[in-house]
Amino acid sequence: AQSVTQLDSQVPVFEEAPVELRCNYSSSVSVYLFWYVQYPNQGLQLLLKYLSGSTLVKGINGFEAEFNKSQTSFHLRKPSVHISDTAEYFCAVSDQSGGSYIPTFGRGTSLIVHP
Amino acid sequence: DTGVSQNPRHKITKRGQNVTFRCDPISEHNRLYWYRQTLGQGPEFLTYFQNEAQLEKSRLLSDRFSAERPKGSFSTLEIQRTEQGDSAMYLCASSPGQGLPGYTFGSGTRLTVV
Repeated sequence: AQSVTQLDSQVPVFEEAPVELRCNYSSSVSVYLFWYVQYPNQGLQLLLKYLSGSTLVKGINGFEAEFNKSQTSFHLRKPSVHISDTAEYFCAVSDQSGGSYIPTFGRGTSLIVHP
Repeated sequence: DTGVSQNPRHKITKRGQNVTFRCDPISEHNRLYWYRQTLGQGPEFLTYFQNEAQLEKSRLLSDRFSAERPKGSFSTLEIQRTEQGDSAMYLCASSPGQGLPGYTFGSGTRLTVV
C-alpha cells in the first residue's frame, strides 16, 4: 500500500514570489505521481503527472515538479505566483502495477497568495 | 464534451433519509470512480467501475452505500439511512480504460446531513 505526506498544511506567500509545495510518498513498488489543484467548491483539476522518463515534469499554469526517487519526493514549484493560484493543492500517488491505478491522495496544502 | 457532470451540486437531507447522486462521465471514458472528501482532507477512494462492472470497493463503502453504473454510462451513488458522518463532498471522476492514469473530476456533490 502507498501513502502520501504533504508536509505543509498551509503555505502563505506574496504575489510574484516563488513557491514550493512539498510532497513525500511511501510505496513498495514503482509509482505514478500527480499534483491536483482544487478551487473552492470545485472538483480537482490535474496540474501535472509523472509517469516515466524525465524527472522534471512541467504542467499547466507555470507549475513544475521534480521526481526524486532516492528521497521519495515529488515537490511542486512555481517561480512566480499569482493571486489566482490561491487554492488547495493535492499530491497523489498510484502503483504502476495492478492496472486499476487508483491514487492515494495527501491531505492537501492550502496555498494562500497575498498581494 | 462538457467534462464530468455531477448532480445535484448540493444536497441537504435529514438524518435517516436516503439520498442518490448522479455522475455523467466523459462519453468515451469507460472507467468511473467515486471519491469522498471531508473538510480538510484529501479525496478518499470509494469504488470504481470499468464499463458496467464494479471492480473494486473500499472498506469505506459500508453496506448503506451502493453504486451502480447501468449500461456503462452514467453512475449513481445511493446512501441509505444517512448519518451526520456522511456529510462530505462526493466526487466522481472518469478516465479512459486501458490508458494511463490521470482522472478528470466532476465538480462534486456536497452533502449535508442535519
